[in-house]
Amino acid sequence: DSGVTQTPKHLITATGQRVTLRCSPRSGDLSVYWYQQSLDQGLQFLIQYYNGEERAKGNILERFSAQQFPDLHSELNLSSLELGDSALYFCASSADRDSPLHFGNGTRLTVT
Amino acid sequence: GENVEQHPSTLSVQEGDSAVIKCTYSDSASNYFPWYKQELGKRPQLIIDIRSNVGEKKDQRIAVTLNKTAKHFSLHITETQPEDSAVYFCAASRGMDSSYKLIFGSGTRLLVRP
Repeated sequence: DSGVTQTPKHLITATGQRVTLRCSPRSGDLSVYWYQQSLDQGLQFLIQYYNGEERAKGNILERFSAQQFPDLHSELNLSSLELGDSALYFCASSADRDSPLHFGNGTRLTVT
Repeated sequence: GENVEQHPSTLSVQEGDSAVIKCTYSDSASNYFPWYKQELGKRPQLIIDIRSNVGEKKDQRIAVTLNKTAKHFSLHITETQPEDSAVYFCAASRGMDSSYKLIFGSGTRLLVRP
């Protein structure tokens, strides 16, 4: 168990809908990262938060947004969903930069 | 760009043989290089990491080497076992402070044949 909790485990929704993915980092970790992994693909960096503030952005679509709350949990919001958004979304947390990332078990999103 | 190039994309070895996976990075300021193992349908798990002030690190059957001048690093697995079969990702840090992020390679699918 990595200590990073992601909910829900699975999500099935229709095109055009909006969903929210939730992540609770390991106790003490201030950084939260979101990655997208499409079928048989690599880990695409979406966004990073550190202690409530956005720190780095990857190729995150404008339809996607995220935030980190005062209790350090984070939410990734995906709107106007398209079939191509179907993927495994991982959250990871770390204590600081240049520290190992600990991944949650992911949320598998299926858009039909 | 921000790419981390990883090769090969697939690797098949006989049980007991060694496996080597190589990565190159573009940002000369990168100073943290972890390796992750991902089994089918599961989360990536850290197996070893190395920092730029070290040229080599070993943990039992796994070793990582870093060549900062050439900007490449490699994962070496010796005496491979069937349970080593998985997808392996390298990663390199990029950016400072507010722009810091960890960029992953595209992955190597390792198959260890019994």
